[in-house]
Amino acid sequence: EAGVAQSPRYKIIEKRQSVAFWCNPISGHATLYWYQQILGQGPKLLIQFQNNGVVDDSQLPKDRFSAERLKGVDSTLKIQPAKLEDSAVYLCASSYTLNTEAFFGQGTRLTVV
Amino acid sequence: TQLLEQSPQFLSIQEGENLTVYCNSSSVFSSLQWYRQEPGEGPVLLVTVVTGGEVKKLKRLTFQFGDARKDSSLHITAAQPGDTGLYLCAGARGTNAGKSTFGDGTTLTVKP
Repeated sequence: EAGVAQSPRYKIIEKRQSVAFWCNPISGHATLYWYQQILGQGPKLLIQFQNNGVVDDSQLPKDRFSAERLKGVDSTLKIQPAKLEDSAVYLCASSYTLNTEAFFGQGTRLTVV
Repeated sequence: TQLLEQSPQFLSIQEGENLTVYCNSSSVFSSLQWYRQEPGEGPVLLVTVVTGGEVKKLKRLTFQFGDARKDSSLHITAAQPGDTGLYLCAGARGTNAGKSTFGDGTTLTVKP
């Protein structure tokens, strides 16, 4: 069974530029999550989708971050404009349902210079 | 506010030694997960505990959930260099098991 796929693996951008990350969850998984992991910290949930609807985006900085899952499968996370403090690994995870464990992708390491 | 405190933050031991790492909270969780994360990779789920007092074993790893479901421990027997990594605990509330609050992890280094 294929795991959660994310791209790109690495991205370096200048501050105030925009960037987008892509995630393809495990086939059949209805729930999709985006986490931000700053160096030395545990992952922090940014947004949770159930199919193509948002379940929780309370921790998403909505002035600069946006995410969508239009067809209930793939998802994109966008940052516009990026700040230095956005440098982190962005992890996508998926689970079969809301009450089952999540499986993580390898993440996208973003460096903002 | 950090809801899950993990200790120690760093641990460096020799191959063959035993170790225990801890995950503590003042909050009650409906379930708690332990993950291991290697550099450049996402966290990999090791175990989920759901019942107070529950003990689960995974080869040389023993996981325990506190009676009050506020804390957990991970014990590794006869550690090996392959156990090196970041160990993260994550707690979930209610039925939303995938939406977890993570601790900041324990970085374990096992030297040959």
